[in-house]
Amino acid sequence: GAGVSQSPSNKVTEKGKDVELRCDPISGHTALYWYRQRLGQGLEFLIYFQGNSAPDKSGLPSDRFSAERTGESVSTLTIQRTQQEDSAVYLCASSSSGFSGANVLTFGAGSRLTVL
Amino acid sequence: KNQVEQSPQSLIILEGKNCTLQCNYTVSPFSNLRWYKQDTGRGPVSLTIMTFSENTKSNGRYTATLDADTKQSSLHITASQLSDSASYICVVSVRGSTLGRLYFGRGTQLTVWP
Repeated sequence: GAGVSQSPSNKVTEKGKDVELRCDPISGHTALYWYRQRLGQGLEFLIYFQGNSAPDKSGLPSDRFSAERTGESVSTLTIQRTQQEDSAVYLCASSSSGFSGANVLTFGAGSRLTVL
Repeated sequence: KNQVEQSPQSLIILEGKNCTLQCNYTVSPFSNLRWYKQDTGRGPVSLTIMTFSENTKSNGRYTATLDADTKQSSLHITASQLSDSASYICVVSVRGSTLGRLYFGRGTQLTVWP
């Protein structure tokens, strides 16, 4: 597609429920990233996928968080047993390469998660 | 500790006026610094990238500066427009790292009033 697509755009759930957030990166982009942005805060790195390499999961805040990506396509971020502290905007970004040269991240519009 | 600090946290200016946003960082070894613009409800969009050897770079009404010695960057917006109202985020990357290891500032929320 022309840009990074994320769904749902908004999700309201009850504490304790599981949620799945989806990211469809730009076609051909090998690198995919998930970030979390709490209200008034900076972006927090969650996880990074590069091609078929093992993902960098070092930013995941707890074992309730997991993410998958098949090949260089869609990724899903799953949050199990959601807590109110999980309320945030979850941003996905993709890039044509995973190295911090001149490559630019292209962000999706985000999925706003509200845990009641 | 790698950190990126931005100031001011928020700023209100009148349409047509200029403003300057600041970014101080302690990230090392430095690779590059980007300024992103994030409109409400949207993902961040890159405005400009500064590498170690660059001092100033312009993109339309946006001019970014970098002082690698003092580890400071600024984003100057000239002749502001209502559409400039957004959060401006400073992002610094570490040399040799993947893009997953970017360090984000909290952003400056700019509001332009008519």
